[in-house]
Amino acid sequence: DADVTQTPRNRITKTGKRIMLECSQTKGHDRMYWYRQDPGLGLQLIYYSFDVKDINKGEISDGYSVSRQAQAKFSLSLESAIPNQTALYFCATSDSRGYTDTQYFGPGTRLTVL
Amino acid sequence: AQSVTQPDIHITVSEGASLELRCNYSYGATPYLFWYVQSPGQGLQLLLKYFSGDTLVQGIKGFEAEFKRSQSSFNLRKPSVHWSDAAEYFCAVAPGSSNTGKLIFGQGTTLQVKP
Repeated sequence: DADVTQTPRNRITKTGKRIMLECSQTKGHDRMYWYRQDPGLGLQLIYYSFDVKDINKGEISDGYSVSRQAQAKFSLSLESAIPNQTALYFCATSDSRGYTDTQYFGPGTRLTVL
Repeated sequence: AQSVTQPDIHITVSEGASLELRCNYSYGATPYLFWYVQSPGQGLQLLLKYFSGDTLVQGIKGFEAEFKRSQSSFNLRKPSVHWSDAAEYFCAVAPGSSNTGKLIFGQGTTLQVKP
């Protein structure tokens, strides 16, 4: 089984709808991240969480919110989706005990907002 | 501000040819450096990483990278490319030893392999 899983893998929705993307991990890592990937822009950090009670905004948090329900679960919500949020979304994890910042990624969720 | 630059957006090489993907970073101290690969429809897979010590690091799938402090570079190499290496490659940087947990990614280089 994959260490970092994301659901759904693909989602098509309409402008104005609320969408939740979910991420679960079995790696036992304390840190979790949400990224957005757009062609030619690399990965941009949306939100990150260093533990259940520690959530921080990344570079592009406007229009997004997150919830860390447990150490292993980190959800990303789009409160009112808009077309320019069409992108590939990745969840990642890392272990603060390693002191190396190595991140491990899920398979991604492709979101299309019509 | 810290930044990572991958100067080549697209690279095309013939199968069996050698490969070098460039990565330059801007950071005051020695950072932690990473290369990830993203195959079509897949997530990012860690190829290799450099933290300290030997500046030539070996990774999976026959890749290696060399850290050159004087050039602020961490170029990825492979002696003989296989068709399955066609993918997008990302260089990433973390502020070394500070355990911030944050990575800064380059824009990516798409590798096409000709038969």
